[in-house]
Amino acid sequence: AQSVTQLDSQVPVFEEAPVELRCNYSSSVSVYLFWYVQYPNQGLQLLLKYLSGSTLVKGINGFEAEFNKSQTSFHLRKPSVHISDTAEYFCAVSDTGTASKLTFGTGTRLQVTL
Amino acid sequence: DTEVTQTPKHLVMGMTNKKSLKCEQHMGHRAMYWYKQKAKKPPELMFVYSYEKLSINESVPSRFSPECPNSSLLNLHLHALQPEDSALYLCASRRTGTTVSGYTFGSGTRLTVV
Repeated sequence: AQSVTQLDSQVPVFEEAPVELRCNYSSSVSVYLFWYVQYPNQGLQLLLKYLSGSTLVKGINGFEAEFNKSQTSFHLRKPSVHISDTAEYFCAVSDTGTASKLTFGTGTRLQVTL
Repeated sequence: DTEVTQTPKHLVMGMTNKKSLKCEQHMGHRAMYWYKQKAKKPPELMFVYSYEKLSINESVPSRFSPECPNSSLLNLHLHALQPEDSALYLCASRRTGTTVSGYTFGSGTRLTVV
């Protein structure tokens, strides 16, 4: 079984500042890793995913994440945030099987202010 | 078509009612999922269908009954629900086989049980 830990439940940041949202995972098998964003009263939108290959993954809206197998981490970064980035961010992990299931972390609320 | 479509977007039902949630995708994805999300919580897996067969049931009460009539459609039949079942119900799909993809989520059905 896999699990995901998002240590920060809330991250306040000023507009145009850089941000890092932390994610650590646990698994005894190979995994795929994902970051999703959820705006209020909406569904989940995929920001980026790591399936294999390059450990630096670039996603939508200027976000990127780095897969670090030795530290079992997949932290999300953005060099300069905007007010519109205010949302809930979920890190998620799945195994690589046919009927795999996606397991979410508890989420990090990114609050961007002026 | 790169979307997962869920209907209805909102549903209010009494505890004695029978209703169904519908999820549709035309991306050729053969794995489909139902998730339940309570307010300020991460999505929790309910059911996984792989090639139209139920492969994972996360000990969901029998008042929730999933159905996958074909490779594009996933239903969730609801009967005798409780107020605590009020939540956002999310459907997702994923390509299986040799070409791996991420999980695509619908925008959800917001269910209120009165």
